[in-house]
Amino acid sequence: GENVEQHPSTLSVQEGDSAVIKCTYSDSASNYFPWYKQELGKRPQLIIDIRSNVGEKKDQRIAVTLNKTAKHFSLHITETQPEDSAVYFCAASIQRDTDKLIFGTGTRLQVFP
Amino acid sequence: SAVISQKPSRDICQRGTSLTIQCQVDSQVTMMFWYRQQPGQSLTLIATANQGSEATYESGFVIDKFPISRPNLTFSTLTVSNMSPEDSSIYLCSAGNGYTFGSGTRLTVV
Repeated sequence: GENVEQHPSTLSVQEGDSAVIKCTYSDSASNYFPWYKQELGKRPQLIIDIRSNVGEKKDQRIAVTLNKTAKHFSLHITETQPEDSAVYFCAASIQRDTDKLIFGTGTRLQVFP
Repeated sequence: SAVISQKPSRDICQRGTSLTIQCQVDSQVTMMFWYRQQPGQSLTLIATANQGSEATYESGFVIDKFPISRPNLTFSTLTVSNMSPEDSSIYLCSAGNGYTFGSGTRLTVV
């Protein structure tokens, strides 16, 4: 079955710096890759996603890149702000909406003012 | 994306008892998913619930411990049976149509 690895487990950056979180997946059939942000005591919130027919997607300060050959995808946050501090999870699915999501282990991001 | 209501939001239960968690979606969805999030951990899929058929359980999870119902395209329940302190976790439901999550059920077993 699918396995998703995520690195680093913790990441501390200064406000205004960039943050990068990387994930690798094992099942080459996976073609949908969402990223979630989870603040303390709250549910995971989808922040950006990418499908396998796209190499990069941007939404303001957030971007995701996908390398299907290498089976890895990354989350890039630019100009980080203290409110970006949270736990971020990557996930992979074979078929969006009808297939299960397998989650990475999570990255705790701390942005210091 | 679907909007999901989940209840109860939290509960403290005695060991050996059972708790049923409800998940209501504001639109019809084919698939619903139940996850467990242990303290400080990632989300682990318990099972996939497809309306009109038996739920599909992931390795390490069995129907006798986590029975699931899916009576229609907008509703599902997960029961945590014969609870022990190791079942203390947050339980989350999710639906297709955007993979939105319910607000979660924080379960403490004493």
